[in-house]
Amino acid sequence: DTGVSQNPRHKITKRGQNVTFRCDPISEHNRLYWYRQTLGQGPEFLTYFQNEAQLEKSRLLSDRFSAERPKGSFSTLEIQRTEQGDSAMYLCASSLLGRQGVGYTFGSGTRLTVV
Amino acid sequence: KNEVEQSPQNLTAQEGEFITINCSYSVGISALHWLQQHPGGGIVSLFMLSSGKKKHGRLIATINIQEKHSSLHITASHPRDSAVYICAVASSGNQFYFGTGTSLTVIP
Repeated sequence: DTGVSQNPRHKITKRGQNVTFRCDPISEHNRLYWYRQTLGQGPEFLTYFQNEAQLEKSRLLSDRFSAERPKGSFSTLEIQRTEQGDSAMYLCASSLLGRQGVGYTFGSGTRLTVV
Repeated sequence: KNEVEQSPQNLTAQEGEFITINCSYSVGISALHWLQQHPGGGIVSLFMLSSGKKKHGRLIATINIQEKHSSLHITASHPRDSAVYICAVASSGNQFYFGTGTSLTVIP
C-alpha cells in the first residue's frame, strides 16, 4: 500500500458540467476526509466518513456536492453543475482511529479548474 | 477568528538559519499536526503531537497544551525546506481545523 491515492491529478471542465473525483485511502484506515483548498488558503473541511457512514458535512458542501464511500474503502466526490468558484485543489486524507490518536495521511489532491 | 492561527505568514531565511514557525489554537484538541505542502500541492504529514516534543532529523515540534501553542523548528535550514508549513488540529470531536500556512523560502 503506497498511501492515499487520488484520481485524476488534474481536471479541467466547462462551467455547468459534472465532475467526479476518486480517493483510495490506506487500506486499513477507517476514516476518510475530503478537503478543499483554494490558492493561498489552508485546507477547508468538506466531509468525512467512518467506514461507509458519512458522519459530518460542512456548510461549504452545497447541494451540488455529494460524497460516497459505498463499501467503506474508496470514496468519490461529485460536483454537479460546476461553477468557476469550485476551482480548487480537492484533498483526500485517511486515518485510523486508535488508542494513541489519529494517524493521518493526505493524498496528492485533484486540482479542478472550471473554465 | 480562526480556530488555528499561524505566524508568520511568510518567512525568508538564509541557508543554515534556525527557523521557528508558531501555531496557536482555540479549541480543545486530541492531537496537533504539522504538515508540509510543496508547490505542486502534495501534503506530507511531518508530526502528530498530543504532548511534549518530537524530533525528526532537522525538524523539531513542540506543544504546550496549557497555553494552546505549538512550534515547529527547523535547524540548519536548506533550500529544499522551502514549502508551506501548515498547522492542523484535531478537535476533541475529531473535526480538523487548519491554519492558513506559513510560506517558507530558504535562500542559498
